[in-house]
Amino acid sequence: AQTVTQSQPEMSVQEAETVTLSCTYDTSESDYYLFWYKQPPSRQMILVIRQEAYKQQNATENRFSVNFQKAAKSFSLKISDSQLGDAAMYFCAYRRPSDTGNQFYFGTGTSLTVIP
Amino acid sequence: EAGVAQSPRYKIIEKRQSVAFWCNPISGHATLYWYQQILGQGPKLLIQFQNNGVVDDSQLPKDRFSAERLKGVDSTLKIQPAKLEDSAVYLCASSVWTRLYNEQFFGPGTRLTVL
Repeated sequence: AQTVTQSQPEMSVQEAETVTLSCTYDTSESDYYLFWYKQPPSRQMILVIRQEAYKQQNATENRFSVNFQKAAKSFSLKISDSQLGDAAMYFCAYRRPSDTGNQFYFGTGTSLTVIP
Repeated sequence: EAGVAQSPRYKIIEKRQSVAFWCNPISGHATLYWYQQILGQGPKLLIQFQNNGVVDDSQLPKDRFSAERLKGVDSTLKIQPAKLEDSAVYLCASSVWTRLYNEQFFGPGTRLTVL
C-alpha cells in the first residue's frame, strides 16, 4: 500500500505570516493525485487544494499553494497571510488512479496553530 | 447540493455490544468510503464501494466489522461485538468515479465511544 508521511505533528504561525507544511509519499505509480484536507476542531473535513501528478505546474488556491516535487515524492502546502480560521488539522492524502481502485491514503496530520 | 449525511453523530456503548452507522452519500456519487479515525491520527480506509460492489476491504476487521451498500446508495457499517479500541470517529465519504472529478467529500462523522 502507498504510504503518506507528515513529519510535523504540530506547527504554529503568527497571524499574517507564511507557513509551510511538509508531506512525502511512497509510490511506484506514475499517475496519481495528491490532496491537502483541512479538519477544524470538531468539524467536517474539507478539501484545501489538489494536484494531479501529470501536471508539472504547482496548484494554487488563493492563499494556499503547493510545491510538488514528483521525483522527490514531496508535496508541501504553503499558507500565505495566515488567518485565525486556518487553525486546524491538515492532512495530506494520496489517491490512486481510477483504473487501479481510486483508494485514498492519508498522512497522520499536522496540527496548525495560528497565533494572533 | 446536499452533502454527505451520517447518523448518529455520537454513540456511546459498552464493550461487546453492537452498533451500526448509516451514511447517505451525495446524489450521483458512485464511490463510497468508510474510514476509521482514531484520535490524533489520520483517517484509515476500512472499506470502499463502487456502486454496490466492494473495491477494497483489506483493512476491515472482518471478524467484527461488516458493511453493506444496498442498491448502490446508502450504506451501513456495523460493529459486532465492539471492543475498547474501536473508539474512534467513523467517517463516510463519497466521490465521483472519474479521472477528472476526483475530490472526496466527507460527512460530519460518527464519534463512537466504547466503555
